[in-house]
Amino acid sequence: EAQVTQNPRYLITVTGKKLTVTCSQNMNHEYMSWYRQDPGLGLRQIYYSMNVEVTDKGDVPEGYKVSRKEKRNFPLILESPSPNQTSLYFCASSSNSLTFEQYFGPGTRLTVT
Amino acid sequence: AQSVAQPEDQVNVAEGNPLTVKCTYSVSGNPYLFWYVQYPNRGLQFLLKYITGDNLVKGSYGFEAEFNKSQTSFHLKKPSALVSDSALYFCAVRDDSGAGSYQLTFGKGTKLSVIP
Repeated sequence: EAQVTQNPRYLITVTGKKLTVTCSQNMNHEYMSWYRQDPGLGLRQIYYSMNVEVTDKGDVPEGYKVSRKEKRNFPLILESPSPNQTSLYFCASSSNSLTFEQYFGPGTRLTVT
Repeated sequence: AQSVAQPEDQVNVAEGNPLTVKCTYSVSGNPYLFWYVQYPNRGLQFLLKYITGDNLVKGSYGFEAEFNKSQTSFHLKKPSALVSDSALYFCAVRDDSGAGSYQLTFGKGTKLSVIP
């Protein structure tokens, strides 16, 4: 089954404790992206990747890191989480950066206390 | 810089009536436009896209959208609403010009409620 998986689905952590949210797709997609969803703000793109070893900033990259060492994986790293990073995070992938028919993961709800 | 506006936070429509969810955009070059839907407690799903060509595009679940370049709009429409259409709808845009052209910008979303 074609899918994008994210882990963990729920995470409660404390300020400053480094964490990684994993994202993996099994569709051999080139384009992958991370978004955060906040009430009243909609979806905002954090980082995206055109292919292996190619990443770029989205609208809200501050406080986040990403890497793309393999085509299927695109982890999101929070080196020193803060409460304003409490949010619902989505990973997405698409085969074509032109058409952006993205497949989204189920989401990761992160709470930073 | 590219941007998207969804002027209505919520749209209510009676079942069986036509529905419209509005979206306007701003880009420097040519727009690639998209609609996504998020059903309650579920992830987002792609509905339809405009890249080039016919201004009226058809998508999943009977939805369609009309690209209007002069009004910089891309409104989502459906002739007859179903209760099951109740969800959060996002419009998104990509500007095909210059740096950052692979960035995708979403609107804030419009909550559609279809009343039985």
